[in-house]
Amino acid sequence: NAGVTQTPKFQVLKTGQSMTLQCAQDMNHEYMSWYRQDPGMGLRLIHYSVGAGITDQGEVPNGYNVSRSTTEDFPLRLLSAAPSQTSVYFCASSSKRTSGGYNEQFFGPGTRLTVL
Amino acid sequence: AQRVTQPEKLLSVFKGAPVELKCNYSYSGSPELFWYVQYSRQRLQLLLRHISRESIKGFTADLNKGETSFHLKKPFAQEEDSAMYYCALLSGGSYIPTFGRGTSLIVHP
Repeated sequence: NAGVTQTPKFQVLKTGQSMTLQCAQDMNHEYMSWYRQDPGMGLRLIHYSVGAGITDQGEVPNGYNVSRSTTEDFPLRLLSAAPSQTSVYFCASSSKRTSGGYNEQFFGPGTRLTVL
Repeated sequence: AQRVTQPEKLLSVFKGAPVELKCNYSYSGSPELFWYVQYSRQRLQLLLRHISRESIKGFTADLNKGETSFHLKKPFAQEEDSAMYYCALLSGGSYIPTFGRGTSLIVHP
């Protein structure tokens, strides 16, 4: 299994451009999420999904859109890039909770985005 | 609302010294707590979870409900322990964990 994959690894955008960060998982996980990682701010949740066709906002959703048409894919769209969106973006997936407890998050390798 | 606090942004120790990375949480119910680790330029990965009560790479963490803490400890730090460490909480009704801001651990030779 490839686990969680993300493309691209690096991207440079100009202010106002749009782009889509791709995320895919092959573990048949129900839950998927997008985080941004900034120095001193840790991991902040942007959007998440609990299944195909269902998405919800996290802590910092402004400027980002998501959709979940399949279980495997969860793309993140930047509508009009701003310098404040310069960050490292991580996608994660996890399986549905069981009565026994935890659901470990599996992370992708990250996308390093710079907005000029 | 649930919250995870990691009070130290940076922890710097020498090899062989004990290490304690602090994590405090606020949640009124019974949480599930985790420690994730991110080595330089790598993806985050699960280090340990409180339910398992296991020791991974010499690290342990005990859930203290009275103090609402889940501190990560290792008696003798190694240089390869240098990484960013995140504490995370999963509450009863949640699908996605809440992460703390992370602590960067640097172990000097």
